[in-house]
Amino acid sequence: AQSVTQPDIHITVSEGASLELRCNYSYGATPYLFWYVQSPGQGLQLLLKYFSGDTLVQGIKGFEAEFKRSQSSFNLRKPSVHWSDAAEYFCAVGSPSGNTPLVFGKGTRLSVIA
Amino acid sequence: GAVVSQHPSRVICKSGTSVKIECRSLDFQATTMFWYRQFPKQSLMLMATSNEGSKATYEQGVEKDKFLINHASLTLSTLTVTSAHPEDSSFYICSALKRGSADTQYFGPGTRLTVL
Repeated sequence: AQSVTQPDIHITVSEGASLELRCNYSYGATPYLFWYVQSPGQGLQLLLKYFSGDTLVQGIKGFEAEFKRSQSSFNLRKPSVHWSDAAEYFCAVGSPSGNTPLVFGKGTRLSVIA
Repeated sequence: GAVVSQHPSRVICKSGTSVKIECRSLDFQATTMFWYRQFPKQSLMLMATSNEGSKATYEQGVEKDKFLINHASLTLSTLTVTSAHPEDSSFYICSALKRGSADTQYFGPGTRLTVL
């Protein structure tokens, strides 16, 4: 069965510091992997996705993620965090056919301090 | 891009009433849409898969008679919460599947339902 684990429930970083949010997945084949961001009371915004090819994926807002098959990981990174990045971040996995619903991790809440 | 809208964005109703939530794909056709539910500070949980022209497929534990789904056109799926109760209060999010070289789901902005 597909599953996604986000080990960190809550992370606090200083503005300007680097960020890494962890995501591990369990999937029987090559997965489609996604990172979404959700601000309070809002819907989901797609940050980036990995389908195939280059394992380092660039997304919006300066985010990137690296797919590591050997570690079943898809960690999200940003070199310098801005206060506006404070939000909930969800990692999700889907099937290559794309027509099955995504399985989401429990999310990581990011707080940014001055 | 691909845009998915939901209406209403926020609704408050009394116990026992029914509420309809619309999910529309604005610039693409979607034969498949998904309905998720999100409790406060929780992740998204799939409720059902909506397929145009056929019955929805519900996840285990989701009452199909309570959460009626109708996917009447290639751009519209509706979720009706019947005889709503306070425990149905939640954030409901839909996604629409855009098919192409890489099938991708696009999410709506969500609907906040509060049942008094």
